[in-house]
Amino acid sequence: AQRVTQPEKLLSVFKGAPVELKCNYSYSGSPELFWYVQYSRQRLQLLLRHISRESIKGFTADLNKGETSFHLKKPFAQEEDSAMYYCALNWPNAGGTSYGKLTFGQGTILTVHP
Amino acid sequence: EPEVTQTPSHQVTQMGQEVILRCVPISNHLYFYWYRQILGQKVEFLVSFYNNEISEKSEIFDDQFSVERPDGSNFTLKIRSTKLEDSAMYFCASSREGELFFGEGSRLTVL
Repeated sequence: AQRVTQPEKLLSVFKGAPVELKCNYSYSGSPELFWYVQYSRQRLQLLLRHISRESIKGFTADLNKGETSFHLKKPFAQEEDSAMYYCALNWPNAGGTSYGKLTFGQGTILTVHP
Repeated sequence: EPEVTQTPSHQVTQMGQEVILRCVPISNHLYFYWYRQILGQKVEFLVSFYNNEISEKSEIFDDQFSVERPDGSNFTLKIRSTKLEDSAMYFCASSREGELFFGEGSRLTVL
């Protein structure tokens, strides 16, 4: 069965420090992985998807199939990065088509101190 | 920028009562979803809806739950007879392809 694990519930760093939010997954097929972010009192929104390989707000994430990981990184954290971060796995149904059925991790609350 | 909107933002109900949560997806989106998050737990998939029918549902989505797109714009989640364990934040989402856009959620409290 597919599973997403975010081992850290809370992560605190100081402004300007590097940050890494860990995500590991278990899935037998070809995964499609995402990072979603929820800022205080706002809705869940997409931050990154692995297939686009782009950097958003300075964040990057590389899919490592050998380690089944999709860790989110930023070299210099900013106070406005404080939020809840969710790693999510999209997996297709039995017919092989994906309908946005996401499996979420537990989430990591990132706090960036001034 | 178009957004997914959900109503009500918070509903309190008595156990055994019927509840309808409403969502207005983004207008040119084709796929619609409900997720829920029990306090302190993961966001969990409930159901996906495409072409006016359920395309997939989870084990959570039992006979007490139903979804409908009654008028081409609203997308509703009905819980027929609420239980205490239905207390959660319910998120609606829609997509055209790929990225899901989420609503702000409806908090359901069952007493």
